[in-house]
Amino acid sequence: GESVGLHLPTLSVQEGDNSIINCAYSNSASDYFIWYKQESGKGPQFIIDIRSNMDKRQGQRVTVLLNKTVKHLSLQIAATQPGDSAVYFCAEIKGTGNQFYFGTGTSLTVIP
Amino acid sequence: SQTIHQWPATLVQPVGSPLSLECTVEGTSNPNLYWYRQAAGRGLQLLFYSVGIGQISSEVPQNLSASRPQDRQFILSSKKLLLSDSGFYLCAWSLEGRRPQHFGDGTRLSIL
Repeated sequence: GESVGLHLPTLSVQEGDNSIINCAYSNSASDYFIWYKQESGKGPQFIIDIRSNMDKRQGQRVTVLLNKTVKHLSLQIAATQPGDSAVYFCAEIKGTGNQFYFGTGTSLTVIP
Repeated sequence: SQTIHQWPATLVQPVGSPLSLECTVEGTSNPNLYWYRQAAGRGLQLLFYSVGIGQISSEVPQNLSASRPQDRQFILSSKKLLLSDSGFYLCAWSLEGRRPQHFGDGTRLSIL
């Protein structure tokens, strides 16, 4: 399954399928990006980050892709599991500050 | 390892009452500290951040204030709560530079 960031805030996938969550960012000067997972009633949990000098970074079952040309970031989750059900946020640092700017998030529901 | 603690987990307060939410970080020195508010089904709004003791930057004009009396302590306060102050308040810390922010589990604040 695939989502388009702010314009499609929910995504449902079958257990075992791959998930793709997308995020568009606006500032071409942003040079650091993070994906967070937030379960209900909890704080966001760091998943993976990527710097602007990279196009791709892999973690355990997750891959982040960065396309600076179109200012697009995606999170791919392989073999999605019920425990992956949560809201996923992308965040970027703009300019020279330390302040992250968060997207609205995409709610992922895994269907057993 | 580093840990972040927020309390209380939930709080119900009447309109016009004062507020004090506390956040402490363990296992690191001189962290950047942040307060966010998250409305239901929405992204995170940065309220305050601090790069050192007594140094507070405010992102949005509001009824709230923040203080950092010690290196690893960050307090969110209000003299008189408004109904619009209801929400999920999250504290986070990070190291300087392009590093992820790490969040506490938040305080659910309801104003009656």
